[in-house]
Amino acid sequence: GAVVSQHPSRVICKSGTSVKIECRSLDFQATTMFWYRQFPKQSLMLMATSNEGSKATYEQGVEKDKFLINHASLTLSTLTVTSAHPEDSSFYICSARSTVNTEAFFGQGTRLTVV
Amino acid sequence: DAKTTQPPSMDCAEGRAANLPCNHSTISGNEYVYWYRQIHSQGPQYIIHGLKNNETNEMASLIITEDRKSSTLILPHATLRDTAVYYCIVRVDTGTASKLTFGTGTRLQVTL
Repeated sequence: GAVVSQHPSRVICKSGTSVKIECRSLDFQATTMFWYRQFPKQSLMLMATSNEGSKATYEQGVEKDKFLINHASLTLSTLTVTSAHPEDSSFYICSARSTVNTEAFFGQGTRLTVV
Repeated sequence: DAKTTQPPSMDCAEGRAANLPCNHSTISGNEYVYWYRQIHSQGPQYIIHGLKNNETNEMASLIITEDRKSSTLILPHATLRDTAVYYCIVRVDTGTASKLTFGTGTRLQVTL
């Protein structure tokens, strides 16, 4: 299947700093990527839909100024958590879907810990 | 997208078939049934999907009832590496922007 790569897989940052997470589709072009957040022992919650060359669409309750999403190319989307706080500590996962396959492929996730 | 209902947890002995049920009684005619699984601390992995007919691939089989109100994912010979949370999702395929909404899933524990 298609490969989606996330970087970094794990990051620790200080409260008040910003963290950028990258999501790349390695062998296909993704006009749309999705960003999810998962707290311990909970399911994945969709945060936003990232559209190449245009603004992201955020789910209700997700602060767009705090979670900045950029989708500058067909193979790269980034999520920046700005002014991170301990409550932002979570597992962040991206996914993308090619135009060929109907199933979505997921990155391996990024474990963010804010101290 | 239609809601799904899955048992919170199941156990299965290694080597036996694991049958994971999913109820989707409000599914619409154009909604597909997708199955994903998530092994601890990893991103979800696609398993299989179907619309009306039963489907089989190298990982699993998907049995959809004739009225499409429920389905069963079958792992024919479960191994310890199949221990994961399994998510049943129904979704309209409206192109690459069609999003997946995850429920709580079934935590499958495969034991020796």
